[in-house]
Amino acid sequence: EAQVTQNPRYLITVTGKKLTVTCSQNMNHEYMSWYRQDPGLGLRQIYYSMNVEVTDKGDVPEGYKVSRKEKRNFPLILESPSPNQTSLYFCASSRWGGSYEQYFGPGTRLTVT
Amino acid sequence: AQSVTQLGSHVSVSEGALVLLRCNYSSSVPPYLFWYVQYPNQGLQLLLKYTSAATLVKGINGFEAEFKKSETSFHLTKPSAHMSDAAEYFCAVRLNTGNQFYFGTGTSLTVIP
Repeated sequence: EAQVTQNPRYLITVTGKKLTVTCSQNMNHEYMSWYRQDPGLGLRQIYYSMNVEVTDKGDVPEGYKVSRKEKRNFPLILESPSPNQTSLYFCASSRWGGSYEQYFGPGTRLTVT
Repeated sequence: AQSVTQLGSHVSVSEGALVLLRCNYSSSVPPYLFWYVQYPNQGLQLLLKYTSAATLVKGINGFEAEFKKSETSFHLTKPSAHMSDAAEYFCAVRLNTGNQFYFGTGTSLTVIP
């Protein structure tokens, strides 16, 4: 089954404790992306990757890091989480070209206290 | 500049009534346009997409959207609302310049029995 998986689905952590949210896709997609969803703000793009070793900032990259060492994986790293990073995070992937349709993971709800 | 605007953060319709969710984009060149649906506690699922092949696009679950270049709009409609349509709906664009996606702030649809 074609899918995007994220782990963990729920995470509660404390300010400053480094964490990683994993994202993996099995569709051989070139493009992968991270979004955060906040009430009233919709989804905002954090980082995206056009292919292995190619990443770029989205609209809200501050406080986040990403890496793309393998085509299927695109982890999101918060090196020193702060309460304003409490949010619902989505990973997505798509072919680059054609319709650019994105496939989304189930989401990770992060709470930083 | 906001690339995509959704008018109405909350829309309520009676079961069986017409659903109309509004989306306007800001781009001089018609972009790629998408509507996604998010059911409670789930990720986003593609409803339909505009890729310049046809101005009237049919999607899943009886939804359709019409691309109107003169109005820079891509409104989502469904002739007869069903209780199962209650969800959050997002309009998204991929501009023809750059590699980012931009989402609207979302419209929460309530269906009244």
